[in-house]
Amino acid sequence: TQLLEQSPQFLSIQEGENLTVYCNSSSVFSSLQWYRQEPGEGPVLLVTVVTGGEVKKLKRLTFQFGDARKDSSLHITAAQTGDTGLYLCAGRNTNAGKSTFGDGTTLTVKP
Amino acid sequence: KAGVTQTPRYLIKTRGQQVTLSCSPISGHRSVSWYQQTPGQGLQFLFEYFSETQRNKGNFPGRFSGRQFSNSRSEMNVSTLELGDSALYLCASSFAEPFRDSGSISGNTIYFGEGSWLTVV
Repeated sequence: TQLLEQSPQFLSIQEGENLTVYCNSSSVFSSLQWYRQEPGEGPVLLVTVVTGGEVKKLKRLTFQFGDARKDSSLHITAAQTGDTGLYLCAGRNTNAGKSTFGDGTTLTVKP
Repeated sequence: KAGVTQTPRYLIKTRGQQVTLSCSPISGHRSVSWYQQTPGQGLQFLFEYFSETQRNKGNFPGRFSGRQFSNSRSEMNVSTLELGDSALYLCASSFAEPFRDSGSISGNTIYFGEGSWLTVV
């Protein structure tokens, strides 16, 4: 069974602060996705990373895929209240046939 | 192109009843998967369909079933509802066939609908 562990589970910060969310596994994934979900809505795709060591930037968000493709991180610079939500990572491994999801990090950005 | 569409968005059912949820995938996507999301359990995989065949299944009781039609639209059914079935049910679609690599980043990525909120009373 493939597992993805996300940390921290909950994070509450002030607007303007930086933060990093981690997604770790002992399994190798062919690709990894990060999603953001608001209450009552479905997860919205933020990024897909596929290459070990890859870094992708999306405005204030920086995503990194580990060299061994077992872990990933999401860094947010100068957080805004609009960044509040549940951040989910999902790893895809062809052998498993389906994506494996972490339990998510609930981020609250206070004004 | 249009995203994943789920209906209904909200519904309330009584314990013991059954419910059917519908999902229309992104045009061109043939893989549809279903997830149950609750505050305490996170995202739990129910099953995945590709070309009208169930290709993968999670650890849910037989009361949970699904099917996929020739146009890739999918439905899931829950019979004999229990209070614990109250949850957000999410449908996701992708281009890639399960257990296969589509060869493209977007093809291997799953995209979610907005979900169907089920409350069992």
